[in-house]
Amino acid sequence: QKEVEQNSGPLSVPEGAIASLNCTYSDRGSQSFFWYRQYSGKSPELIMSIYSNGDKEDGRFTAQLNKASQYVSLLIRDSQPSDSATYLCAVNEGNTGFQKLVFGTGTRLLVSP
Amino acid sequence: DTEVTQTPKHLVMGMTNKKSLKCEQHMGHRAMYWYKQKAKKPPELMFVYSYEKLSINESVPSRFSPECPNSSLLNLHLHALQPEDSALYLCASSLAGGIQETQYFGPGTRLLVL
Repeated sequence: QKEVEQNSGPLSVPEGAIASLNCTYSDRGSQSFFWYRQYSGKSPELIMSIYSNGDKEDGRFTAQLNKASQYVSLLIRDSQPSDSATYLCAVNEGNTGFQKLVFGTGTRLLVSP
Repeated sequence: DTEVTQTPKHLVMGMTNKKSLKCEQHMGHRAMYWYKQKAKKPPELMFVYSYEKLSINESVPSRFSPECPNSSLLNLHLHALQPEDSALYLCASSLAGGIQETQYFGPGTRLLVL
C-alpha cells in the first residue's frame, strides 16, 4: 500500500495568519493530488486539486506540488476561525477511468480568534 | 447539482440484523465509491464501481455486499456485522473520465452496531 503522511497536529494559528499544511507521499508515479477539508462529524469537502509542479491558487488557498521531492502543501492565507477543521491530503493511486484515493491521516487546524 | 445523497443518516443495528445503505447521485457520474471512516482516522476505500461494474474490492469482509443497480444508485448491504464495523460510511462519485477529476462525497451514514 502506498503511503501518504501528514503531521496530525493540531496546528494552532491566530486569526489572520498563514497556515501551512504539509504532506509527503511514497509513490513516485502519482499524478493527481487533492486537499479535502473535513469538519467534525461531516464528510470531506474538496478544497484544492493539483496535478503539475508549482503553485495553484484559489482565493485564500494555495496548493504547492513538488514531484521530485514527493511533497504537497496547502497554504491558507488570512486564516479564519471557520477554517478550523481537519485537512486531509489525498493522492490518487489509480491510472484508469476511476480514482483510487489514498488519504493521509489528516492535520487538525485550530484558528484562534 | 453537485450533490451525492445518502440514506439513512444514522443507523443502529444488532449483529443479527440485515440492513442496507443507499447512495444516489444525478450528476451523470459513472464511478461510485464506498469508504469507511472510523473516528479520528482517514477514509478507507472499500469498493469502487465503474460503469456499474465492481472494479475494486479492497479485501472487504463478505458481510458487506455492494450493489450498483444503475449508474445513479449504489447500495451497501449489511449482514451479521460486528461492533468494530461501527463507523461513518461515505459514498462518493466521480465522472470516471480520468485521473484529473473531482470526487464528490455524500454526507455519510453513521452506523452503530450493537
